[in-house]
Amino acid sequence: DSGVTQTPKHLITATGQRVTLRCSPRSGDLSVYWYQQSLDQGLQFLIQYYNGEERAKGNILERFSAQQFPDLHSELNLSSLELGDSALYFCASSVASGATGELFFGEGSRLTVL
Amino acid sequence: GENVEQHPSTLSVQEGDSAVIKCTYSDSASNYFPWYKQELGKGPQLIIDIRSNVGEKKDQRIAVTLNKTAKHFSLHITETQPEDSAVYFCAATLNQAGTALIFGKGTTLSVSS
Repeated sequence: DSGVTQTPKHLITATGQRVTLRCSPRSGDLSVYWYQQSLDQGLQFLIQYYNGEERAKGNILERFSAQQFPDLHSELNLSSLELGDSALYFCASSVASGATGELFFGEGSRLTVL
Repeated sequence: GENVEQHPSTLSVQEGDSAVIKCTYSDSASNYFPWYKQELGKGPQLIIDIRSNVGEKKDQRIAVTLNKTAKHFSLHITETQPEDSAVYFCAATLNQAGTALIFGKGTTLSVSS
């Protein structure tokens, strides 16, 4: 158990809909990272937050947004969903603002768009 | 931005053999190179890492080597066991500030007994 909690574990929805994925980092970790894992693209970095502020942005679509709340949990919002958004979405946390130390990954939220 | 390429995508070995996975990166400012192991149904977990001021690091049966000039690094697993079967990802920091990790596409290692 990494200490990172992601909900829901599974989610099935239709194209055009909007979903919210939630992540609770390990106790004491200030950084939260979101990654998308699909079969052909591996782990794609989406976005990072540190202590409530956005620190780095990767290949995150404009239809996606995220935020980190004062209690340090984070939410990833996916809107106008398309079939291609079906993937496993991972959240990871770390103590520091940089990624030059261990990232602790949750077990992921599997999104299926029909 | 950083780009990390990983080879091979699949690797099958017999128990007791060695396995080698290789990665190249594009950003010469990257300074941290971890390897993660992902078992079925779980999130990736760090198994070993190396920083740019070190050429080699070993931890029991696993070792990582780094060639900064050539911008490539490798994972070596010796005396493989069935429980080593998993997907392995290499990664490099996004930039010199190391704000995020960019992962390779993964290598599925299968160890048969």
